[in-house]
Amino acid sequence: DVVVTQSPLSLVVTLGQSASISCRSSQSLVFSNGDTYLGWFHQRPGQSPRRLIYKVSNRDSGVPDRFSGSGAGTAFTLKISGVEAEDVGTYYCMQGTAPFIFGQGTKLEIK
Amino acid sequence: EVQLVESGGGEVQPGESLRLSCVASGFTFSRAWMHWVRQTPGKGLVWVARILTDGSSPIYADSVKGRFTISRDNAKSTLYLQMNSLRVEDTAIYFCARDVDGLDFWGRGTLVSVSS
Repeated sequence: DVVVTQSPLSLVVTLGQSASISCRSSQSLVFSNGDTYLGWFHQRPGQSPRRLIYKVSNRDSGVPDRFSGSGAGTAFTLKISGVEAEDVGTYYCMQGTAPFIFGQGTKLEIK
Repeated sequence: EVQLVESGGGEVQPGESLRLSCVASGFTFSRAWMHWVRQTPGKGLVWVARILTDGSSPIYADSVKGRFTISRDNAKSTLYLQMNSLRVEDTAIYFCARDVDGLDFWGRGTLVSVSS
């Protein structure tokens, strides 16, 4: 079975600093069509998840450009360049093809 | 504006059934793959089921296979999740989500509580 592992599980960052979250899969996430359907989501308490990044590095509409995604194969990273107060919450990576698997989540707090 | 509105949640006892609905608007529902995802309060996200545009090829998480059925009515722009033989561990907020290069838009969720 595919296992998706996020790290760290908790992150405390000073406003304006950068933050990085890692997402690793036990198997390559490259789909048969050559695309890699790895997405990143942000969820604030009491809200539904919002997708930030799709297919590894593409920002969704309205997502600030301080969010960037990178990686390939089995290793992926979400970077926030200059954390703002509204970025608090939990971040999840997700394999977007069957089997659909979420990472455990990374809780980001502001110091 | 894309909207997904879930309903049908509630409190039930173990072994009972519920049917969740998700009404879509703001996009062509019949052209979108759709998913159900659940989240135990305070915990992470867990994928439950996916259905293709014409209702074919549903797939399920092992934890719900044989008990849950995902379906859709494209004429009503509505996604369903029939949940039978509910267990305490099925207690969660259930979200429906649209699939465009992955799960791009989510509803607000509906709470299902299974308790004796």
